[in-house]
Parts: sequence; C-alpha cells; structure tokens
Amino acid sequence: KAGVTQTPRYLIKTRGQQVTLSCSPISGHRSVSWYQQTPGQGLQFLFEYFSETQRNKGNFPGRFSGRQFSNSRSEMNVSTLELGDSALYLCASSSSSLGTNEKLFFGSGTQLSVL
Amino acid sequence: GNSVTQMEGPVTLSEEAFLTINCTYTATGYPSLFWYVQYPGEGLQLLLKATKADDKGSNKGFEATYRKETTSFHLEKGSVQVSDSAVYFCALRSSDGGATNKLIFGTGTLLAVQP
Repeated sequence: KAGVTQTPRYLIKTRGQQVTLSCSPISGHRSVSWYQQTPGQGLQFLFEYFSETQRNKGNFPGRFSGRQFSNSRSEMNVSTLELGDSALYLCASSSSSLGTNEKLFFGSGTQLSVL
Repeated sequence: GNSVTQMEGPVTLSEEAFLTINCTYTATGYPSLFWYVQYPGEGLQLLLKATKADDKGSNKGFEATYRKETTSFHLEKGSVQVSDSAVYFCALRSSDGGATNKLIFGTGTLLAVQP
C-alpha cells in the first residue's frame, strides 16, 4: 500500500507569491491533517479535514487555507508569501474519524523556501 | 491551554547506553500521548502511544508510561543503537473538542548515538 504522498518535495518562491501544496493520503484514509515544521516553532497544527469538511483549524492567518476533494486528496494554499513561511509542510492521514486511538501516517513533506 | 514540554537536545550517547528523554504535558481531561520519531529527510513515524493513565506503550525496545500524577510520558530504551539516531517528538491529542486528529507536539529532541 502506498504511503502518504506529498508534492512537490521542494519549492522555492519569492515574497508576495502564492503556493499550492498537494497531499495524497493512504488509500481508504479520509482524514488529512497539515502541520508546519520550523526550527524555531517546531511542529504546529495548521488544519484538519475529514470527508471534505474542515473540522479543526490552528492559529494561522487567513493566508493559509486548504481543501479536501472527494477522493480525500488535499491541497493547502498560502497566499502573499512571507519569509517566515519558509518551512517543511507535513501532511498526515488517518483511517478513522474518531481521533482517539488512531495512528497518523505522515508524508515526507514539502520543503518551502521563500526568498 | 494544552502543551507539551520536552527536554532540550541534542542528547549524545554511546552505543548500548541507556536512554531517557523527558516529556511532561499540560492538558485538561484525559489526553492520549504519543512518541513520534523523525529520521533525516523523512516524515514522522509513530513510535508508541498510550491512551490512559498507567498504560505503557512499547515498540522496538522503547517504552513510555503514561503517568497522570506527574503529567509525564518519558521515553526510555535500555540499550541504544546507532540506528536510533533521529529526532524524537512527544505529542498529545486532547480529549476535549470532539473528534479530532489534531496533535500538539513538543519541540523535539535530537538523539545522536555514537559507535
């Protein structure tokens, strides 16, 4: 079974641009979460989707948005990029909606560099 | 609010040494607790978990016990190997707020094992 796939692996953008990152969860998984990882702030929760609905959102500005499609694939978008948005963006999927004992499977991430 | 505090790294050990990485948490209710490991260039992998007080999670020689009285979930291994070199993250999933896969992570502890 294929793991969580994130594309692209690396991305370089300049300030003010916008970017879209993609995540394909493990087949059959309906829950997708996104995290931002930086050396200074560590891992921070961005948002979570289940069956195309956002059910939880972290404390990030409105420039960060996401969506989930009917095949459970998810995208996140960052508009008007800032230098501080440079980070590794990780996607994780899970097989259940319950969220109590479920294991999260992480992708290898998209490394975004904003110049 | 909910939070996780981990010991600062890096932790440098010789092969076959005993490992302890401290983790304490602040949370309301009865959170589930996790240890995730991140190898260079990869996403996070679940190492072990515990979902209620006094539970012991274990995997690949690593162990951690959910201690509600001390709000701790310290990671231990009796004899580390060079292949254990990685970044270790302690995390919690709150029992509040309904169904969610949102995890709150500690800052991570880099473990370097020397032959």
